[in-house]
Amino acid sequence: EDQVTQSPEALRLQEGESSSLNCSYTVSGLRGLFWYRQDPGKGPEFLFTLYSAGEEKEKERLKATLTKKESFLHITAPKPEDSATYLCAIPDGGRRALTFGSGTRLQVQP
Amino acid sequence: KAGVTQTPRYLIKTRGQQVTLSCSPISGHRSVSWYQQTPGQGLQFLFEYFSETQRNKGNFPGRFSGRQFSNSRSEMNVSTLELGDSALYLCASSSGQAGATDTQYFGPGTRLTVL
Repeated sequence: EDQVTQSPEALRLQEGESSSLNCSYTVSGLRGLFWYRQDPGKGPEFLFTLYSAGEEKEKERLKATLTKKESFLHITAPKPEDSATYLCAIPDGGRRALTFGSGTRLQVQP
Repeated sequence: KAGVTQTPRYLIKTRGQQVTLSCSPISGHRSVSWYQQTPGQGLQFLFEYFSETQRNKGNFPGRFSGRQFSNSRSEMNVSTLELGDSALYLCASSSGQAGATDTQYFGPGTRLTVL
């Protein structure tokens, strides 16, 4: 059974303090890995898709990387508006569904 | 392009009632998926529709059902509501063409509270 585990559960940073969020997965034949951002009471907002080990993608202060066993979301010099829950997900090819991790709640304090 | 829209945004129902939620996908998208999000279980897949046909189904009881119309709009229905059905119900749309690697774009969700 495909599994996605995210760590840490929660992370509190000072503004400007860079850090990384982890997403580890077990799947037979990775078809891609998705990162989403979710603000309280809202739907997840798509950030990145990574398809193969070694791939990297960047957007503003965020950079996502992928290895054969895990993905990292690096946050450089975060701002308070980066506070949100970050979710990673892998496609369950058999059902055309996404299997989500439990998320990392990020709080960036000014 | 307009994003995914869901109506209503909030619903309060009592146990035993039924409820219908609506989702309009991004223009041109033909696949609509539904997810349930709760604090305890996180995001869980309910079902996916493509060209008015249910292609995939998650592990939810038969009280949860859905349909898709010819314009790709989708509805989901929950009958005989239980307290545990209280959740944020999310709809996601995708082109439906690329299989499992299709990017899914989510709507704002419908917050259902069952009393």
